[in-house]
Amino acid sequence: GAVVSQHPSWVICKSGTSVKIECRSLDFQATTMFWYRQFPKQSLMLMATSNEGSKATYEQGVEKDKFLINHASLTLSTLTVTSAHPEDSSFYICSARAGIATNEKLFFGSGTQLSVL
Amino acid sequence: DAKTTQPNSMESNEEEPVHLPCNHSTISGTDYIHWYRQLPSQGPEYVIHGLTSNVNNRMASLAIAEDRKSSTLILHRATLRDAAVYYCILRPYSSASKIIFGSGTRLSIRP
Repeated sequence: GAVVSQHPSWVICKSGTSVKIECRSLDFQATTMFWYRQFPKQSLMLMATSNEGSKATYEQGVEKDKFLINHASLTLSTLTVTSAHPEDSSFYICSARAGIATNEKLFFGSGTQLSVL
Repeated sequence: DAKTTQPNSMESNEEEPVHLPCNHSTISGTDYIHWYRQLPSQGPEYVIHGLTSNVNNRMASLAIAEDRKSSTLILHRATLRDAAVYYCILRPYSSASKIIFGSGTRLSIRP
């Protein structure tokens, strides 16, 4: 089946530094990718939707200057957490879909656990 | 966005069937019903989806009510590896639709 590769699986960084998370669709072209964050024991919260070649659409309350999303190709989207702080510590998950049909399943990355010291 | 309602948690015995309910009373005619599950420290994985008719695959079965306002995910013979959070999601027709997760059901399996 289709695979979405997310890297790194975990990262520890110092407060004030930036962290980049990559999400790749390995065997299909992802026209749309979604970025979620998840706190312990909670559900996934949608942060933004990105379409290849255009600016990402951010959910209300998500700072676009802090969470930079780039979807430059049909197989790669990146999320950069800029000037990370301890409150940004969370589990970040990407998801990709190949087309727009509503009967298509979504493919998810394995997630990135970010810990900001 | 159409919402779904699921019980917070359920418990079942190993090797017994499990029925996970989901209410979606505001579903529209073109919304597909999707189920995903999330194992600890992993991203969600697809389980099954359907529109109107019941669906079966190697992982589970999906029973959809005639009025489509509810559905039930059926695991025919639960194993310890089925312990996860199960999410019921509606996929709106619009190509610009966002994929919103509800709170899901945390399924525990007793050995």
